[in-house]
Amino acid sequence: AQSVTQLDSHVSVSEGTPVLLRCNYSSSYSPSLFWYVQHPNKGLQLLLKYTSAATLVKGINGFEAEFKKSETSFHLTKPSAHMSDAAEYFCVVTGILTGGGNKLTFGTGTQLKVEL
Amino acid sequence: KAGVTQTPRYLIKTRGQQVTLSCSPISGHRSVSWYQQTPGQGLQFLFEYFSETQRNKGNFPGRFSGRQFSNSRSEMNVSTLELGDSALYLCASSFDPDTQYFGPGTRLTVL
Repeated sequence: AQSVTQLDSHVSVSEGTPVLLRCNYSSSYSPSLFWYVQHPNKGLQLLLKYTSAATLVKGINGFEAEFKKSETSFHLTKPSAHMSDAAEYFCVVTGILTGGGNKLTFGTGTQLKVEL
Repeated sequence: KAGVTQTPRYLIKTRGQQVTLSCSPISGHRSVSWYQQTPGQGLQFLFEYFSETQRNKGNFPGRFSGRQFSNSRSEMNVSTLELGDSALYLCASSFDPDTQYFGPGTRLTVL
């Protein structure tokens, strides 16, 4: 079974400062990991994904994440926060199901607040 | 390509009623998954359909069911609605077994 733990339920940063959203995962095999973002009253938008190629993954809107197997972490970062980044962020791990296909297991989410 | 679409976007029902939600996947995607999002339980997997067959199922009661049509469109049905079924229901499609792309969701309120 796989799981993810998002270490912070809320993160607050000032506009123009770096963003760090932390995620640890647990998986019995090499996982695929994702970060999704959800703006208020919207669906989930894919930010980036890791699928065992490069350990540093670049996503949309200036976000990136680094896969560290030794630390079982997949933290999301952005050098400079923008007001439009305020949203909820979900770290996600996939697991291959016995029937084929895959199922997403979500973290509990981190609410990012960006202040002027 | 058009994204995943879900209809309706908002629904209000009363306890005991049933409801049907619809999801149209991205063209060419054959896998459709459904998730329930609530403040208390977060995002939980309901089921996944592939080529008109339910391939996987989460831990939800039998009141939750679904189906998939030959054009990959999917419907989800909830019978005998309970207050606790109030949630955002999200549909996601994928070009199996790749990344899942989500629709905007259907907000269901049960009174």
